[in-house]
Formats: sequence, structure tokens, C-alpha cells
Amino acid sequence: DTGVSQDPRHKITKRGQNVTFRCDPISEHNRLYWYRQTLGQGPEFLTYFQNEAQLEKSRLLSDRFSAERPKGSFSTLEIQRTEQGDSAMYLCASSLAQWSYEQYFGPGTRLTVT
Amino acid sequence: DQQVKQNSPSLSVQEGRISILNCDYTNSMFDYFLWYKKYPAEGPTFLISISSIKDKNEDGRFTVFLNKSAKHLSLHIVPSQPGDSAVYFCAADIGTGANNLFFGTGTRLTVIP
Repeated sequence: DTGVSQDPRHKITKRGQNVTFRCDPISEHNRLYWYRQTLGQGPEFLTYFQNEAQLEKSRLLSDRFSAERPKGSFSTLEIQRTEQGDSAMYLCASSLAQWSYEQYFGPGTRLTVT
Repeated sequence: DQQVKQNSPSLSVQEGRISILNCDYTNSMFDYFLWYKKYPAEGPTFLISISSIKDKNEDGRFTVFLNKSAKHLSLHIVPSQPGDSAVYFCAADIGTGANNLFFGTGTRLTVIP
């Protein structure tokens, strides 16, 4: 197992377009988290899943954002009608529920909205 | 509002000396604290953690100290090595079971050979 993977690593899109990112967690991990990191800031929590259930969403997650984890394995994060303020690094992390404090992060997807 | 603060954006230390990275928090509900290390083009990597019921946790060259009354924690790296050069994030958990971490803004550590 090679850890958490994210695809794509970089995405450049024009304002108003929709984008979708994918995260593949560590296989035995049943918790999956999405964070957003902007320049000079630390990661900010967006949402998390326990298996396929989305259990919490941050107020940062506007109605243009939607996340899914259909079979409790990989997850997708979609941003509709992108805005320049959506430009950021989107990080995915996974953990075992009983050791949830220790989250394993992927390399992130860097989104640039022009 | 930034509930976890790292007021030093950067720190330079000579190889072999001690590196001390500081973190302050405002929310007294935080009950677990973690340090993550981040290299360029990689995601953050878990380094060490401490529960709020402890005041010290040690793992090899890394020690985390927690002062609950001051709402302050610090990470000590002894001896510092060039490979320790990275951005270090302090993070805290509020103990709701969701484990959505609150991160500081990071401190860039440079260890000079």
C-alpha cells in the first residue's frame, strides 16, 4: 500500500467551470477527510466520511461543493461554477476510526481558477 | 477566527542544536494536539501527538510539551538535522469524535548544516 493518493495533482480551470477531484485512501481506513489549504494558511477542514456516510460538513463547504464516497472506498469532491476564491490546495486524508487522531494525508490537488 | 496560532512563520537553527517550535491555542475545549511536518509537494505527515491529560510526550528526537494553563504547546527537536527542514503545523482536536483538526498557519524550519 502506497498511502493516500489524489488525482489530479494540478488543475487549471476557468471561472464558472465545474471540477472534480478524486481521493483514494489507505485501503483499510474507514474515515476520509477533505481539507482546503490556501497560501500561508494551514489546512482547513471541509468534510469527512465514515465509510460511505458523510457525517460532518464545515460552513466553508458552500452549496457549490459536493463530496461523495459511494462505496466507502474512494471519494470525489466536486466544485460547481468555480470562482477565483476557490483556488487552493485540496487535501484528502484518511484514518482508522479507532486511531482517528492520526490522519494520513495525500499530496493534494492544486486548483487554479483563472 | 484562528483558534490555533503559530506566531513564528520561520525558524533557522544550526545542525545539532535544539529547534523549538511554538503553538498557542484559544479554545479550551481542545483535548488532543498533534504536530505535522510538510515537505514541498507532499501532504502533511503526522509527527507526534499529546493528549490534554499529559504535559509531555517524547518520541526519539521529538518531544512535545503542553501547558494547558497557558494554552501553549511546543515541539522540541534535539539534535536538529538538515532533513528536519520542512514546514511544521500544529493541530488540535476538539474531542467531538469527528476528529476534524484545527491547524495553525505553520512554521518553516531551516536546519543549517
